[in-house]
Amino acid sequence: GEDVEQSLFLSVREGDSSVINCTYTDSSSTYLYWYKQEPGAGLQLLTYIFSNMDMKQDQRLTVLLNKKDKHLSLRIADTQTGDSAIYFCAERHTDKLIFGTGTRLQVFP
Amino acid sequence: DTAVSQTPKYLVTQMGNDKSIKCEQNLGHDTMYWYKQDSKKFLKIMFSYNNKELIINETVPNRFSPKSPDKAHLNLHINSLELGDSAVYFCASSRSSDTAYEQYFGPGTRLTVT
Repeated sequence: GEDVEQSLFLSVREGDSSVINCTYTDSSSTYLYWYKQEPGAGLQLLTYIFSNMDMKQDQRLTVLLNKKDKHLSLRIADTQTGDSAIYFCAERHTDKLIFGTGTRLQVFP
Repeated sequence: DTAVSQTPKYLVTQMGNDKSIKCEQNLGHDTMYWYKQDSKKFLKIMFSYNNKELIINETVPNRFSPKSPDKAHLNLHINSLELGDSAVYFCASSRSSDTAYEQYFGPGTRLTVT
C-alpha cells in the first residue's frame, strides 16, 4: 500500500521541543522527506534522510528513522511561533512522492 | 526571482466551464509535477513530466490535460469543471539527476468551482 500516516494536530508551548511522527508503508523507499506548509503558501522542503541513515541533524531539526518499524520523526528544538504550520512527511516511491496526511503544529506563547 | 511560479493564484468559476492554470520554473529543472490538495490538506500527485514527456498519470479524469511546451513550463487545462475539482493545485519541479529527488513547490492556485 501507499499510505503514509501522521497524527493530525500537535500543540506545544514556545521554547519547548516538538516531535512530529510519521509511519510509512513502503520498505523500499530510498528517501524520506519533511515539508512545511505555512497558511496560503506552497510546500517548503525542510530536510530529508536517506534510508540507510537512522538520524540526521540540521540546526534545530532532528530527523529519526526507524526502518524496522517504518517510523519517521521530526524533532524541532526550541519551537518558535514561526514554526506554526502543517508538516508533511513524504516517502519516495519509484518516481513519485507519497505524502502523509499532514500534522498541524500550533505553537502558543 | 521566484523559483516556481503559478498563475493565477485564485480562480473562481462555474461548473461546466473550461480553465487553465500555468506554471513556470526558472531553476533549470527537467521534471515538473502537478499536485492536488483537497480541503483536508491531503496532497496527491496528478501528473509528472520529464523533458516535456508525460511520465506519471495518476488515474486523473481525462477532463484534466497537462501540457508542457518546454522544460520550464507545465500547464494544466481542465474541461467541464465539476464541484469536486475545487482544491488547491500545486506545481513542483525537480532535477532528474538529483538522487535526493528534491522537489520545489509553487505557491499554489486555489480553484473554486461554484
